[in-house]
Amino acid sequence: EPEVTQTPSHQVTQMGQEVILRCVPISNHLYFYWYRQILGQKVEFLVSFYNNEISEKSEIFDDQFSVERPDGSNFTLKIRSTKLEDSAMYFCASGRDRGADTQYFGPGTRLTVL
Amino acid sequence: RKEVEQDPGPFNVPEGATVAFNCTYSNSASQSFFWYRQDCRKEPKLLMSVYSSGNEDGRFTAQLNRASQYISLLIRDSKLSDSATYLCVFYQTGANNLFFGTGTRLTVIP
Repeated sequence: EPEVTQTPSHQVTQMGQEVILRCVPISNHLYFYWYRQILGQKVEFLVSFYNNEISEKSEIFDDQFSVERPDGSNFTLKIRSTKLEDSAMYFCASGRDRGADTQYFGPGTRLTVL
Repeated sequence: RKEVEQDPGPFNVPEGATVAFNCTYSNSASQSFFWYRQDCRKEPKLLMSVYSSGNEDGRFTAQLNRASQYISLLIRDSKLSDSATYLCVFYQTGANNLFFGTGTRLTVIP
């Protein structure tokens, strides 16, 4: 069964450093998403991406964040200058259609900002 | 008011018990509803959609009450493997993203 993959599984970085989280969505999917989950809190939507552009973003997704699909297979989330409060699990999801029950989540990247 | 509210639990139940979770939502424009399951430090996984007429999948039954703005999940004959956090999730068509509750933690005890 095809699945979304994410790398790395755990990223440790110093405050102020840039990080890039990588995701490989399921190959025939067209919609891509990033969510995050701070430890002990709910999963929160960050951004959705379709047709090579951002389609929606939440208020969490400020100028420090950017997304890109550089080569038609990877989907990346960049945090330009990490803060302590960026420490969280970051989940990538992809979907075949615009909708809820076709969003498949990757295993997540645990980001720890020191 | 929070968009999605769930009792965080924990619910500790013996194997074989029946357990029910409720979830209330504040946005009446919410279009679709789901229950997800999340194991510790893992990604959320879709358990089942929730339909207006109520729906069942094996030991799991989901109900939606739009008038009172809540959904429910009933688990019958609990198994040890049901131990997880159950997330109430809704989807708004216009927003094209999922809104998650904080989850209800279930532990099934032998």
